[in-house]
Amino acid sequence: GAVVSQHPSWVICKSGTSVKIECRSLDFQATTMFWYRQFPKQSLMLMATSNEGSKATYEQGVEKDKFLINHASLTLSTLTVTSAHPEDSSFYICSARGAGLAGGLGETQYFGPGTRLLVL
Amino acid sequence: DAKTTQPNSMESNEEEPVHLPCNHSTISGTDYIHWYRQLPSQGPEYVIHGLTSNVNNRMASLAIAEDRKSSTLILHRATLRDAAVYYCILPIQGAQKLVFGQGTRLTINP
Repeated sequence: GAVVSQHPSWVICKSGTSVKIECRSLDFQATTMFWYRQFPKQSLMLMATSNEGSKATYEQGVEKDKFLINHASLTLSTLTVTSAHPEDSSFYICSARGAGLAGGLGETQYFGPGTRLLVL
Repeated sequence: DAKTTQPNSMESNEEEPVHLPCNHSTISGTDYIHWYRQLPSQGPEYVIHGLTSNVNNRMASLAIAEDRKSSTLILHRATLRDAAVYYCILPIQGAQKLVFGQGTRLTINP
């Protein structure tokens, strides 16, 4: 149980184009989804938190107009990297937090396999 | 927000137990201790979590100090597939966020 998928697993795009990454919770309803970015040899950096049906909350320093997040349903969140540039090349990882889970397990996040983005 | 401290790296041999330490001296009474691991080129995966008592599951055991200022993740019999970066995290309550530090890079020797 608690499987999260991401699509695509990798993408190569030209500079200036937009790229959409999907994150799905396959066997549970995710009230909250998170988007992280990870550069080589570094730890995960939280970009934003999204709750179903409401606007995402972005971490300090993350441009909300560049990284558009939509959480339209309890099983799907999307991250769109707009006008991508080579410095946006990174490993993007989503996670989902289950609904109605009490205590420490309610804080548990289940991660997708990640999407590797390369902007040329 | 409570912060954790872990060694940058550890090394062990296959089929031997591994003890991964974590210090969290500023932990509050209601903070849960979570462990995640990240295998190469994959997203992190949940390992275990606890509050006060020691916890066991099919992946690992979590030993929590009586004063809760430290904890140890125990892999009872390491395999090559356990080579990963292990993160000890105290989720930020209310904000529901996980803040990842640098973790411990575990190398398993055959």
